[in-house]
Amino acid sequence: AQSVAQPEDQVNVAEGNPLTVKCTYSVSGNPYLFWYVQYPNRGLQFLLKYITGDNLVKGSYGFEAEFNKSQTSFHLKKPSALVSDSALYFCAVRNYGGSQGNLIFGKGTKLSVKP
Amino acid sequence: NAGVTQTPKFRVLKTGQSMTLLCAQDMNHEYMYWYRQDPGMGLRLIHYSVGEGTTAKGEVPDGYNVSRLKKQNFLLGLESAAPSQTSVYFCASSPNWGQVDSGANVLTFGAGSRLTVL
Repeated sequence: AQSVAQPEDQVNVAEGNPLTVKCTYSVSGNPYLFWYVQYPNRGLQFLLKYITGDNLVKGSYGFEAEFNKSQTSFHLKKPSALVSDSALYFCAVRNYGGSQGNLIFGKGTKLSVKP
Repeated sequence: NAGVTQTPKFRVLKTGQSMTLLCAQDMNHEYMYWYRQDPGMGLRLIHYSVGEGTTAKGEVPDGYNVSRLKKQNFLLGLESAAPSQTSVYFCASSPNWGQVDSGANVLTFGAGSRLTVL
């Protein structure tokens, strides 16, 4: 069965410092991996995805993620955090069970960036 | 370009009442989804559709029904609401996952519908 885990409920970072939000996954096929962000009272917004190719994926708002097959991880990173990055971040993996075309989401990590 | 629109945004029901949440997308997407979001649980898939006239069960389908009579609309129904269905509901749509372009596999979400069942 496919699954995704976000081990941290909350990550606290000072503005200007690098940030990492962790994600590990388990899939039965080729991993399709995603990061989404949710700002308060809003729907989720797509940040980036890994399907194939380079292990370092660049996305929106200066975020990037590194796919590590041996560690089954897909951590989200940003070199210099902004207060406006404070939000809820979700890692997701393609669900190969049943019909194609849906995602399994992690429980989310709340990122708090302090000035 | 509106993207994905959900109505209503807020609703309060009494136990046993019924209601329908409407999702409309104007991106000509093949796939549509209904998720619910609960604190500490992330998003869980209720039902989804891979094309007009087709629906499939997700992770938590009990107590819900769906219909996809038109490609652009995906309706989520609660026949007899229960307090356990108090949640924020998100609709999303995506192109066919078999498409080979940069937009494939990416879900576009609506702003959410907050439902409270008393």
